[in-house]
Amino acid sequence: AQSVTQPDIHITVSEGASLELRCNYSYGATPYLFWYVQSPGQGLQLLLKYFSGDTLVQGIKGFEAEFKRSQSSFNLRKPSVHWSDAAEYFCAVGAGTNAGKSTFGDGTTLTVKP
Amino acid sequence: DGGITQSPKYLFRKEGQNVTLSCEQNLNHDAMYWYRQDPGQGLRLIYYSQIVNDFQKGDIAEGYSVSREKKESFPLTVTSAQKNPTAFYLCASSMGAGAYGETQYFGPGTRLLVL
Repeated sequence: AQSVTQPDIHITVSEGASLELRCNYSYGATPYLFWYVQSPGQGLQLLLKYFSGDTLVQGIKGFEAEFKRSQSSFNLRKPSVHWSDAAEYFCAVGAGTNAGKSTFGDGTTLTVKP
Repeated sequence: DGGITQSPKYLFRKEGQNVTLSCEQNLNHDAMYWYRQDPGQGLRLIYYSQIVNDFQKGDIAEGYSVSREKKESFPLTVTSAQKNPTAFYLCASSMGAGAYGETQYFGPGTRLLVL
């Protein structure tokens, strides 16, 4: 069975600083990997996804993530954080079946200091 | 605009009462899902459906029931057997086939509170 670990429960960064959110996964084959963002009281919005090919994927809102098979990681990065990026971020791994049933990490809450 | 709608935004349940949460999508997606989210926790899968008239239990199905009579609709009933129903409920859909079927699109959620 697949699993996802997001080691950081809460991260605080200053506005304009760089950001890296960690995600480690466990899955036997090539995974489908996702990052979602959730604002308080809202649903989840897809930031980016990795299925195959280039291991550095670009997403919306200036985010990118790098798939590193050797480290079983899919870390999310942004070079300069904006106050509006404050939210909860979820990493997810897909099973690679027709079920489309992803397993989600517990999330990382991002606080942005002015 | 294509998307997923959930209603109501807030729902109050009395002791012993069954309540139904609505989820509708106009994305023509085959697969639909219900997740429960508790404070500080990730999403836990309640039920999912890959096709009309078929659905499967997720990790925490006890105390919940679903139906999938139409492709665009996947209502969730929280029964009186669910002893701790207070949570944020998220509905999602995906194409359901192949790699791109893994990408899920989420509704805005329903917050269920017990009176």
